[in-house]
Amino acid sequence: AQKVTQAQTEISVVEKEDVTLDCVYETRDTTYYLFWYKQPPSGELVFLIRRNSFDEQNEISGRYSWNFQKSTSSFNFTITASQVVDSAVYFCALSEARDYKLSFGAGTTVTVRA
Amino acid sequence: DGGITQSPKYLFRKEGQNVTLSCEQNLNHDAMYWYRQDPGQGLRLIYYSQIVNDFQKGDIAEGYSVSREKKESFPLTVTSAQKNPTAFYLCASSSLTVPQETQYFGPGTRLLVL
Repeated sequence: AQKVTQAQTEISVVEKEDVTLDCVYETRDTTYYLFWYKQPPSGELVFLIRRNSFDEQNEISGRYSWNFQKSTSSFNFTITASQVVDSAVYFCALSEARDYKLSFGAGTTVTVRA
Repeated sequence: DGGITQSPKYLFRKEGQNVTLSCEQNLNHDAMYWYRQDPGQGLRLIYYSQIVNDFQKGDIAEGYSVSREKKESFPLTVTSAQKNPTAFYLCASSSLTVPQETQYFGPGTRLLVL
């Protein structure tokens, strides 16, 4: 069963627009961890954020913000005032307390046009 | 600089040939992982290791083998039994001092079949 669903395959925006990436997860564990990674065209995955299931506070880091809602099993990511350098594939991932494996969503490709 | 290195960047495999992908880390991380990424898809776990001389199969281990003789190194061999090896291979590592500690990724190796 798919544990992490990223329903948006591709998103295209014009520079300075905001873009929100959806992530819905599925787990029976009460303790789990959620992650977002960015994969630029070079291919390397860059870590963006780690959130555990007991911390539902939203987080903001510069132009990036994350909205974690356990009630809807969602961990959405917003880029404010997007820039061309934000063009990449973004992955949401889940790790359950029972093991160390990361389950990745299929990714959302974001293209920011100048 | 601390980080994860993978070599080579590109690798070509002939029919029936085994090839080995290198992964080295100087982060003093205990755990190391190998993932496979196919176009338009998320990452899938091949093998992981939490301690030297021990490793576990991931979700798609068939046709692959690994070794962990040193803490810093976790090479992956793609054997001739892997019938569809063309993919992007990513190595990652993490500390085990904190549950579900963040996995950090190397730059990847792209494997192509001749």
